[in-house]
Amino acid sequence: GQQLNQSPQSMFIQEGEDVSMNCTSSSIFNTWLWYKQDPGEGPVLLIALYKAGELTSNGRLTAQFGITRKDSFLNISASIPSDVGIYFCAGQFETSGSRLTFGEGTQLTVNP
Amino acid sequence: GAVVSQHPSWVICKSGTSVKIECRSLDFQATTMFWYRQFPKQSLMLMATSNEGSKATYEQGVEKDKFLINHASLTLSTLTVTSAHPEDSSFYICSAKDVKNTGELFFGEGSRLTVL
Repeated sequence: GQQLNQSPQSMFIQEGEDVSMNCTSSSIFNTWLWYKQDPGEGPVLLIALYKAGELTSNGRLTAQFGITRKDSFLNISASIPSDVGIYFCAGQFETSGSRLTFGEGTQLTVNP
Repeated sequence: GAVVSQHPSWVICKSGTSVKIECRSLDFQATTMFWYRQFPKQSLMLMATSNEGSKATYEQGVEKDKFLINHASLTLSTLTVTSAHPEDSSFYICSAKDVKNTGELFFGEGSRLTVL
């Protein structure tokens, strides 16, 4: 079953605002991943984090791998309408053979 | 980036029939593919790990006789939902691991199954 707690469950923001979402786990992961899923499509990788404490940016997106290896956050700056979608965190154990455990998702709505 | 394609993208079938969904890695070889199921407004739940040339590994609670997985080549895995029932209606998503890459996964676009 799910081992990742992702929050918030949903967010409604105005265009231009910054957004932050996070995931916590009771288990240690050696890789954290953040995905975006548009309706009716598969998830698309946004950012991958491989080291505790790592802070990585991809355009307006910034994500960090928590020091304890049990949490991660994703920030989106200056949101735009096309940021709308569901954002998932995913964790990967070292011995899982690439199996991913997904968070519950954060539904983001951006009002123009 | 690498491309993973699923077919069909959507399918409607009658209860009791079987449906096959294909997952292809188009520009890389994948010894391992993963099948997920996603119900509306929920997260992706791993169903099974598909290994090329060997039996799939199923997650706890997933019936292997109902969800048949075949990974006969390095670029194709298939999921067959046998004797489908309305509760099997879901979004099925595959992902593939590039053998030349260190664990990077690529997801297909998903297949929507509706069982009447």
